[in-house]
Amino acid sequence: GEDVEQSLFLSVREGDSSVINCTYTDSSSTYLYWYKQEPGAGLQLLTYIFSNMDMKQDQRLTVLLNKKDKHLSLRIADTQTGDSAIYFCAESESSASKIIFGSGTRLSIRP
Amino acid sequence: GAVVSQHPSRVICKSGTSVKIECRSLDFQATTMFWYRQFPKKSLMLMATSNEGSKATYEQGVEKDKFLINHASLTLSTLTVTSAHPEDSSFYICSASDYASTDTQYFGPGTRLTVL
Repeated sequence: GEDVEQSLFLSVREGDSSVINCTYTDSSSTYLYWYKQEPGAGLQLLTYIFSNMDMKQDQRLTVLLNKKDKHLSLRIADTQTGDSAIYFCAESESSASKIIFGSGTRLSIRP
Repeated sequence: GAVVSQHPSRVICKSGTSVKIECRSLDFQATTMFWYRQFPKKSLMLMATSNEGSKATYEQGVEKDKFLINHASLTLSTLTVTSAHPEDSSFYICSASDYASTDTQYFGPGTRLTVL
């Protein structure tokens, strides 16, 4: 069945780069997403990538996709305290399909 | 950008009562809305897919008689938790797609339900 997996925790020093990794199993995945959730808040779509792309960059965010290995990563450059949150990797077959979420990676920033 | 609202943002109710949660797409029409549930420190699990003018499609294990979904218009879907129990306490999040102009779903801010 469909499954999305990611590590639960990541701790980085302020100013360093954060890399959050994710693997998925569904070969039909067309959309691959990264969402951010701050404490007590809803989901914020950070970025998404189509399955026919290898990379997408948006300011401090870089998404890399290895479709062969079904591996997705999110790199946050120059990590700031405001980046502390839970980051969810997710996938769907289309924008009209249900979204399958990973368990979320809690990113903490140390001074 | 596309905005999805939810009301209420927080609700506390007594066990046995029913609670209605609204999900609205404010500046676009959404023929399909999704309802998710998030347990503390857990991921989001899809509960059901709500289609305007038709019955919702529920995921396996979700009781349709307990979680009533109505999608009466292109901008509003409601989730009613009937005869709520403490184990129904959770964070409920909806999402909606704007097919006219975007390729993605937009999520509401969520509703935190606490059943005493």
